[in-house]
Amino acid sequence: QSVLTQPPSVSGAPGQRVTISCTGSSSNIGAGYDVHWYQQLPGTAPKVLMYGDTNRPSGVPDRFSGSKSGTSASLAITGLQAEDEADYYCQSYDNNLSAVVFGGGTKLTVL
Amino acid sequence: EVQLVESGGGLIQPGGSLRLSCAASGFTFSDYWMHWVRQAPGKGLVWVSRINFDGSESRYADSVKGRFTLSRDNAKNTLYLQMNSLRAEDTAVYYCVRDYGYSGHKLWHKYFDYWGQGALVTVSS
Repeated sequence: QSVLTQPPSVSGAPGQRVTISCTGSSSNIGAGYDVHWYQQLPGTAPKVLMYGDTNRPSGVPDRFSGSKSGTSASLAITGLQAEDEADYYCQSYDNNLSAVVFGGGTKLTVL
Repeated sequence: EVQLVESGGGLIQPGGSLRLSCAASGFTFSDYWMHWVRQAPGKGLVWVSRINFDGSESRYADSVKGRFTLSRDNAKNTLYLQMNSLRAEDTAVYYCVRDYGYSGHKLWHKYFDYWGQGALVTVSS
């Protein structure tokens, strides 16, 4: 059971928009800790996709955007492309656990 | 170019020991906290352990506390994870990751800006 909750899967057709939610609690996202997102392509190591709630590292297309409100955060992907098919993980910090915490991951399927 | 290269994974019997290494290059190793994150087959990411700049303080997930020991050699730019009393549930790919920390809204935030390729540890008889 992950501290942060994500839907196990989402899907969309090429060109569509999808969102992935990440729900936490008052000891992590709700406490004000930033949310970060990682993309893991099949058979590879994760890489950071979004940091500090809304910031994209260089090289990440602006089709990816992040938001946060209260105890939840979301990753939105517009103009869905086949190469976006991957697992996506949210991450934050929990002050009760004094540890980094991850969501359980969401598998994005491009139909 | 930042590189993190893990080594030392393999097949080990339950109750055995294994030491993972992570060779870092392309940045000043002693300026960063470092972590290990693991991923069991077909499962999600789980934080395992972290160590501060000079190795004087480390923390562990409850699932590995007392069995795993994290250390670093800044002169060799290398991170080590000593894993003892291994169990089947420790089977996973272990990733060495760099901690990028920053301050904001009176809190200290962190994320993992660089990841190694991972080392597979299989605990099985």
